[in-house]
Amino acid sequence: EVQLVESGGGLVQPGGSLRLSCAASGFTFSSSSMNWVRQAPGKGLEWVAYINSDSNTKYYADSVKGRFTISRDNAKNSLYLQVNSLRAEDTAVYYCATYNSHYYSVDVWGQGTTVTVSS
Amino acid sequence: DIQMTQSPSSLSASVGDRVTITCRASQNIINYLNWYQQKPGKAPKLLIYTASSLQSGVPSRFSGSESGTDFTLTLTSLQPEDFATYYCQQTYSPPHTFGGGTKVEIK
Repeated sequence: EVQLVESGGGLVQPGGSLRLSCAASGFTFSSSSMNWVRQAPGKGLEWVAYINSDSNTKYYADSVKGRFTISRDNAKNSLYLQVNSLRAEDTAVYYCATYNSHYYSVDVWGQGTTVTVSS
Repeated sequence: DIQMTQSPSSLSASVGDRVTITCRASQNIINYLNWYQQKPGKAPKLLIYTASSLQSGVPSRFSGSESGTDFTLTLTSLQPEDFATYYCQQTYSPPHTFGGGTKVEIK
């Protein structure tokens, strides 16, 4: 069974940092491009970042560029999102998700991890 | 960046109704358009990819179509489990923007 399990969320003060992790299983992680997508409370989905299978290509939403860094460790079947200089508007559920490069779609999602930025 | 304008933002419908949701791209995205369903407290679920291809396991009452930069998700014969929020997303070029969502509620 394909599974993505996020962790690392929590309560952090404005200006703080966190490292979100996503453990992948049930598929060939090293061949898969990946995304982070977030959802603020009561709001819609916001695409955050993308990384291809060998980490050579990374893209970010303008709202997080320069503050967030996406990375992966294929040996550990893990995806990461380093989130720095956090702001109240970064409060959201953060989802890890696979990107299907054949069908150009986000086809498997984790259950999400919650980041709350508050003093 | 490509903007995705989704309409309506909400609608009320009854079981058995036909429902149509539209997404308009701010520029040509070919057919790099996906539709997702999200239920409260759950992760989104892929329904349709590349505008009109049905994801495996998704009921055939869901369908997608395109006309230029306008994309449509149609639900024929709405079922109780279909009451949810629906999002479109373009994956033509990054940032892979989502539409604002359409909440389908029970009338």
